[in-house]
This record gives sequence, structure tokens and C-alpha cells, in this order.
Amino acid sequence: EVQLVESGGGLVKPGGSLRLSCAASGFTFSSYSFNWVRQAPGKGLEWVSCISSGGSYIYYADSVKGRFTISRDNAKNSLFLQMNSLRDEDTAVYYCARSGPTDNYFDYWGQGTLITVSS
Amino acid sequence: QLVLTQSPSASASLGASVKLTCTLSSGHSSYPIAWHQQQPEKGPRYLMKLNSDGSHSKGDGIPDRFSGSSSGAERYLTISSLQSEDEADYYCQTWGTGIRVFGGGTKLTVL
Repeated sequence: EVQLVESGGGLVKPGGSLRLSCAASGFTFSSYSFNWVRQAPGKGLEWVSCISSGGSYIYYADSVKGRFTISRDNAKNSLFLQMNSLRDEDTAVYYCARSGPTDNYFDYWGQGTLITVSS
Repeated sequence: QLVLTQSPSASASLGASVKLTCTLSSGHSSYPIAWHQQQPEKGPRYLMKLNSDGSHSKGDGIPDRFSGSSSGAERYLTISSLQSEDEADYYCQTWGTGIRVFGGGTKLTVL
């Protein structure tokens, strides 16, 4: 069974940093690209970043470029998101999502972790 | 610019059918999309990938009541025999080089 479990959420002050993790199981982690997607309270889904299976290709949404860094550890079946210079508008539930085997749709999602940026 | 447009809301009666629409921006009518369901207070769930020719592949455990179709730049999600648990937000999603895009979502109310 495919499982994606996010962790690392919490309350952080504006300008602060936080690192999210996503632990994967039930499939060959190193064969898939991954994404971070967020959802602000009461809002829709917003793609944040993606990373290819080997980590060579990385892309970011303009809203987080230069502040967030996606990475992965294929030996530990884990995906990460380092978030720096956090702003109020980064407050959201953050989901990790696996890209499909043949294309860039999201075929499995985690349950999400809440990040609250507030003073 | 790659954009997906969805109506904010839809409603249909228990046991009836409903067809949700996702429209691709000009110049992107050949793009495939994916449909995702988000029930209240839950994370999203992948429903299906839908190609421009209407062919689609569903996620694990997605009932036959959920089907997809396409016409030009429009991608549809049809849910038949509506059940109470189908009341949810439905998002379409597509992708290009270095970008992943979501529609604004459609809130489906089952009457």
C-alpha cells in the first residue's frame, strides 16, 4: 500500500524557517518524481515545487522561488521542503504528492501538515 | 499561459448524475489533465488522468460511477448515481515543463 506521511509542521514567526519531511513507503521511492502542494485556509490547491526521481530536475512556483528548497533522500525514502523567510501568506496545509509513473499528474497524496506563520 | 478554469460550485440530487467542467486556456487544448477529489477536512485523492481524446485511467479503488470525457479544450468529470460522500471539492490539474497547475476547484453539493 502506498503511503505518504508528512511531518514537521507547526507555528513559526514571520521570517523564520521550517523543514518539512515526507516519508514514503509501499513502492520504489527512487523511481518517482515528487511534489509539494499547499492549501491556504479556505482556499484551493497551489503547487509549490517538484523534484525528479534522481533529483536532477527541480522547479518552483514563483511565489516560493528563492525561499523554499526541495530535496530528497532516495536511500531513506524521504522528501523534504526547507522553507526560509516565511511569510504570513505561507500559512497553509502542505501536502506531498507523488507524480504518476507515466506523466506529471499526482497519483498519491499525503494527509498534509499544517504550517502557521504568525507573530 | 497555462490556466485551468472551473465553475466555483455545482449541485445535484442524491442518485442523479452531474457533469463538472474544466477548461484549458487557449493554445493548450491538447493537454491531458487529472481530476482530484477533496472531501471535507481530508486530503485530496486522485480520481483519474484524462486525455484530450477522452481516454482516461482511474486511480486505485475509484468506482465506475466516476468517468471522464473531453471535447476540445474542455475536460469533464461525470459522477453518476450520486451519493452523499460525493459531496466534495473537485480540482482539475495539468502540467507543462517546469510547471504544475490546478484549477480553482468546484464545490459539489449533493441535495
